[in-house]
Amino acid sequence: SQQGEEDPQALSIQEGENATMNCSYKTSINNLQWYRQNSGRGLVHLILIRSNEREKHSGRLRVTLDTSKKSSSLLITASRAADTASYFCATDAGSNYQLIWGAGTKLIIKP
Amino acid sequence: EAQVTQNPRYLITVTGKKLTVTCSQNMNHEYMSWYRQDPGLGLRQIYYSMNVEVTDKGDVPEGYKVSRKEKRNFPLILESPSPNQTSLYFCASSLSGTFYNSPLHFGNGTRLTVT
Repeated sequence: SQQGEEDPQALSIQEGENATMNCSYKTSINNLQWYRQNSGRGLVHLILIRSNEREKHSGRLRVTLDTSKKSSSLLITASRAADTASYFCATDAGSNYQLIWGAGTKLIIKP
Repeated sequence: EAQVTQNPRYLITVTGKKLTVTCSQNMNHEYMSWYRQDPGLGLRQIYYSMNVEVTDKGDVPEGYKVSRKEKRNFPLILESPSPNQTSLYFCASSLSGTFYNSPLHFGNGTRLTVT
């Protein structure tokens, strides 16, 4: 079942610009995770934010979580061509053993 | 190197011919899972395993079998593949199925075509 909805579905920006992707979900969560997938490859974990956290940073990544709005955003600053990928959010929906995935945002960085 | 290894990377088969996709992790993870990824449908969970000998159905288990006899291995079995099982398959593992501080580690995927 799909809980997360990423927005936009696709995003194309110039190298060096910032990229922002959003994720909305429907039920209460314990944590929310962001993953990156390069074309046809396995997903790679980027960052996990817990329900009691509002913001988290990792290198050029900044994730925010607003549990009142049931939404999260992923900001990639100073984008690079290597950031071209699809980005997915996943939530635990408050239960164990299953993550619920969004459909992803396809990010293209133009050189 | 810590990793999840899936084999084969590509597989073309015919309808009805049983096949197994292997998955192995070397991180001593308790939790393992299989997903399929289809255009427009995103990632859908097939089966998951909380620990050795403990498995449960995900969202799309029909037509698939799994087993978890050892902690490191979690093979996906298609007893009688059909064309609608043509997809990109991913195995993933996590230290714990609660995901509280243990994200998923993914294999590189198996692209299966059933003709």
